[in-house]
Amino acid sequence: KAGVTQTPRYLIKTRGQQVTLSCSPISGHRSVSWYQQTPGQGLQFLFEYFSETQRNKGNFPGRFSGRQFSNSRSEMNVSTLELGDSALYLCASSFTRVGTDTQYFGPGTRLTVL
Amino acid sequence: ILNVEQSPQSLHVQEGDSTNFTCSFPSSNFYALHWYRWETAKSPEALFVMTLNGDEKKKGRISATLNTKEGYSYLYIKGSQPEDSATYLCAFPSGGYQKVTFGIGTKLQVIP
Repeated sequence: KAGVTQTPRYLIKTRGQQVTLSCSPISGHRSVSWYQQTPGQGLQFLFEYFSETQRNKGNFPGRFSGRQFSNSRSEMNVSTLELGDSALYLCASSFTRVGTDTQYFGPGTRLTVL
Repeated sequence: ILNVEQSPQSLHVQEGDSTNFTCSFPSSNFYALHWYRWETAKSPEALFVMTLNGDEKKKGRISATLNTKEGYSYLYIKGSQPEDSATYLCAFPSGGYQKVTFGIGTKLQVIP
């Protein structure tokens, strides 16, 4: 069974630009969550999508948005990039939304904002 | 904002030593606690999901215990090996769903 894939793996942008990251979950998984990791910080929850609807949202500004498609693939968009958005962005999928369900992580997208 | 804390933040042990570290979490409205291992240049990998007070889980030389009443979980590694070097994360889903708060992690380095 193929794992979670994320594209692109690396990205360099400049301040003010916008970026879209993509995540393909494990086949059959319907919940996709996004996390941000910056140096010195743990994984910070961005949002969770299930059945094409955002179900939970973390404490991030509105510049961070996402969506999920009918095949459960998900995209995350960051508009008006700031230097502080430089981070590793991980997505994770799980079969259900239930908190006991294990999340499986992708390799991440390393975003650098110059 | 949920408080999920891990200690210590980093740890150096000699090969063959046993070690343990702690995750503390809110004891109210407990639903589950997850442990993950995150090796450098890889993705976080699930170790355990723990749901019941008194739970003990084991995978090879790694084991974990859970105390939901006092809000902590311990992860133990017996006879540490260099391949155990990684960051160990605990994760707390709130409200029973996948709105997950991660601890900052314990970075373990096992010295050969």
